[in-house]
Amino acid sequence: GENVEQHPSTLSVQEGDSAVIKCTYSDSASNYFPWYKQELGKGPQLIIDIRSNVGEKKDQRIAVTLNKTAKHFSLHITETQPEDSAVYFCAASIGGFQKLVFGTGTRLLVSP
Amino acid sequence: DADVTQTPRNRITKTGKRIMLECSQTKGHDRMYWYRQDPGLGLRLIYYSFDVKDINKGEISDGYSVSRQAQAKFSLSLESAIPNQTALYFCATSDSGQAGYGYTFGSGTRLTVV
Repeated sequence: GENVEQHPSTLSVQEGDSAVIKCTYSDSASNYFPWYKQELGKGPQLIIDIRSNVGEKKDQRIAVTLNKTAKHFSLHITETQPEDSAVYFCAASIGGFQKLVFGTGTRLLVSP
Repeated sequence: DADVTQTPRNRITKTGKRIMLECSQTKGHDRMYWYRQDPGLGLRLIYYSFDVKDINKGEISDGYSVSRQAQAKFSLSLESAIPNQTALYFCATSDSGQAGYGYTFGSGTRLTVV
């Protein structure tokens, strides 16, 4: 079945630096790739997503890139702030269905 | 009120007990999911339902059962709880009619089996 690998598992940066989280997927039929942010004591929240017909998408300080040939996608956060500290999950759709397979998560810590 | 509500938020139960986790939603979404979160393992799919009469197993369904009582309600049961079912459980919803595929998650139920 579909497998999604996510790296790194933890990431520490200084406020103002950029952060990059990378994911690879195995199912070439995957066509939807969302990213979720999970704050302490809360459920994951969708922050950005990308479809297979698009190579890059940006929303203010966050951006996602997709390389379908290599089967990997990345989350980029610029000008990080302490409130960006959270666990981030990538996910990939299974075939054409609305099921998502999640990566193992990245704990991002932004130090002031 | 939250769009996706999970009850209880926290629960401690004993090995062998039956327990039910409940999820209700006001999003009007037709699809509902139960995921389990463990440290280092991410979110793993237990069961999912695409409409009231549809129930499907996910990757880790053993030891669990579900009931879709209505479009807005999806409950997860542990028939005989065991310690390795200690985890954070999330309910999620999505809408098959929307162009997007994003899930809306509840706040989670932290279950401890002793």
